[in-house]
Amino acid sequence: GAVVSQHPSWVICKSGTSVKIECRSLDFQATTMFWYRQFPKQSLMLMATSNEGSKATYEQGVEKDKFLINHASLTLSTLTVTSAHPEDSSFYICSAIQGAGGEKLFFGSGTQLSVL
Amino acid sequence: TQLLEQSPQFLSIQEGENLTVYCNSSSVFSSLQWYRQEPGEGPVLLVTVVTGGEVKKLKRLTFQFGDARKDSSLHITAAQPGDTGLYLCAGDNAGGTSYGKLTFGQGTILTVHP
Repeated sequence: GAVVSQHPSWVICKSGTSVKIECRSLDFQATTMFWYRQFPKQSLMLMATSNEGSKATYEQGVEKDKFLINHASLTLSTLTVTSAHPEDSSFYICSAIQGAGGEKLFFGSGTQLSVL
Repeated sequence: TQLLEQSPQFLSIQEGENLTVYCNSSSVFSSLQWYRQEPGEGPVLLVTVVTGGEVKKLKRLTFQFGDARKDSSLHITAAQPGDTGLYLCAGDNAGGTSYGKLTFGQGTILTVHP
């Protein structure tokens, strides 16, 4: 079955550094991917919609210069947290849409980011 | 903005009890999905309901979509410790380019004690 892979699963970084998270669709092409963040014991909040070959669409309140999204191919979207600070520590999850017409949605396994 | 109100936020019960989780909105969704999530993992889809009034069963889990497609419920019969986890409802405002852009409820943390 279709699988969405996220890498890394967890990352610890120092405040002020940048961190890149990858979201890959392993056996299907995904023209659209979504990025969410989730704080402990809370729900998922949509950050942005990532479209292959075009600029991402950010939700209200999400800083596009802080959270850089690149969807350069049909199987890969990346989220870069620039100049990370402790308040950026969170669980980041991506999802990807498979197919046109018979769309299915698959979630990645998430990336836990801890900023010291 | 379509909002989903999920309740209760926390549920702690004994093994064998029944429970219901509710998801309500003032907006109409094209479909509504229920997920279960374990700590440190992505959400796993349990069911998608599409038609107003639809009822789906998955073993001890019963899912219902309201007639107006604004609300949904998840009922678990004879809960087991293995049911412990975070349950999330999510509405899909699909329509053209909006497919897959989910609005999540606040989540329900279920704990089933042996």
